Amino acid sequence: SQQGEEDPQALSIQEGENATMNCSYKTSINNLQWYRQNSGRGLVHLILIRSNEREKHSGRLRVTLDTSKKSSSLLITASRAADTASYFCATDSWADGLTFGKGTHLIIQP
Amino acid sequence: DAGVTQSPTHLIKTRGQHVTLRCSPISGHKSVSWYQQVLGQGPQFIFQYYEKEERGRGNFPDRFSARQFPNYSSELNVNALLLGDSALYLCASSPWTRSGNTIYFGEGSWLTVV
Repeated sequence: SQQGEEDPQALSIQEGENATMNCSYKTSINNLQWYRQNSGRGLVHLILIRSNEREKHSGRLRVTLDTSKKSSSLLITASRAADTASYFCATDSWADGLTFGKGTHLIIQP
Repeated sequence: DAGVTQSPTHLIKTRGQHVTLRCSPISGHKSVSWYQQVLGQGPQFIFQYYEKEERGRGNFPDRFSARQFPNYSSELNVNALLLGDSALYLCASSPWTRSGNTIYFGEGSWLTVV
């Protein structure tokens, strides 16, 4: 079963705009990780945010975590064509393995 | 340093056959996990191995098995292949099994069952 649910399922924006993706989950977690996947490729790790953290930044990426609402968001600022990809949140609880959602497919229009 | 490496990158098998997929973790990582990603879905957890022992198993049939070798590399085996086993199989490595580590993925092995 998939715990994380990304929203929206697809997002198309103009180059230079900001992109925001949301993730909701159901059970308590230890941490949450965001990944990027280019078409047909493997997963690239973006950010890990722990359950006691509220916000993390990495370059043009900003991730927030609200454990009371069981939700997280990924903001990509000043988007570029190379940011076109699918983005997944993955929850890491005390169970086995990461639990992924279905992902948000982001398209950056030049 | 090399990342997680997987082989083969693509393969085609016939229903009922057997397949073996291979993975080498990042140097120094002792935990290897396997995931299946069907087209249009997120990856689903199959197995985790740490120090050559199975430490976790997802909801997959017994046709799926895996093992980890003394050098921490790993194999995923799938017997009696079904059309529904067609997917991208991802290997991931992390330093150890405890929750909280960044988990790094390889490029995957594309399996097509015909």
